[in-house]
Amino acid sequence: ETGVTQSPTHLIKTRGQQVTLRCSSQSGHNTVSWYQQALGQGPQFIFQYYREEENGRGNFPPRFSGLQFPNYSSELNVNALELDDSALYLCASSFQGPANTEAFFGQGTRLTVV
Amino acid sequence: AQTVTQSQPEMSVQEAETVTLSCTYDTSESDYYLFWYKQPPSRQMILVIRQEAYKQQNATENRFSVNFQKAAKSFSLKISDSQLGDAAMYFCAYRSLNRDDKIIFGKGTRLHILP
Repeated sequence: ETGVTQSPTHLIKTRGQQVTLRCSSQSGHNTVSWYQQALGQGPQFIFQYYREEENGRGNFPPRFSGLQFPNYSSELNVNALELDDSALYLCASSFQGPANTEAFFGQGTRLTVV
Repeated sequence: AQTVTQSQPEMSVQEAETVTLSCTYDTSESDYYLFWYKQPPSRQMILVIRQEAYKQQNATENRFSVNFQKAAKSFSLKISDSQLGDAAMYFCAYRSLNRDDKIIFGKGTRLHILP
């Protein structure tokens, strides 16, 4: 176990709805990254939060947004859900500083859009 | 932009045998990290091994070792004495040294272990 926890583990939503996924980072980590993993594919970088600010973004539309809180936990919000948003969403936490640590991944949230 | 390519969607190996998973990547950077991650059915991405590009020596972690060829941009994973618990998806991944430190993954290789 890595100490990175995600909730919920599974979720079913209807097209057009909004969803919020949550991630608790490992103790001592200050950075959270979110990835989308479609079935049969490798994870794709969505964005990263460092000290509560977005610190890099992949090729995802603005309806994918996020937050990082003072305790370094994070949320991923997706508005106007589309069928193609069905995927495993992975959160990874790490420490950025004079000596960066490895990224540790949570077990993911499986989102199904119907 | 950096890319990571895994050309073997699936592989099988007999228990106790050795298997090598292939990976190539493309980058214009000179310093970076390369990783192999394992993703079992539990879905959690587990770091298997890491290689710093500035190190010529190939990384080794117990039964897992890599063959890092920087000029050829090749990064293969060798699993010795394969065990049933090694069955999983394996992802080759790249990370640059810049601040946003996103990880770029290949599409993965599904490894089957035959008893």
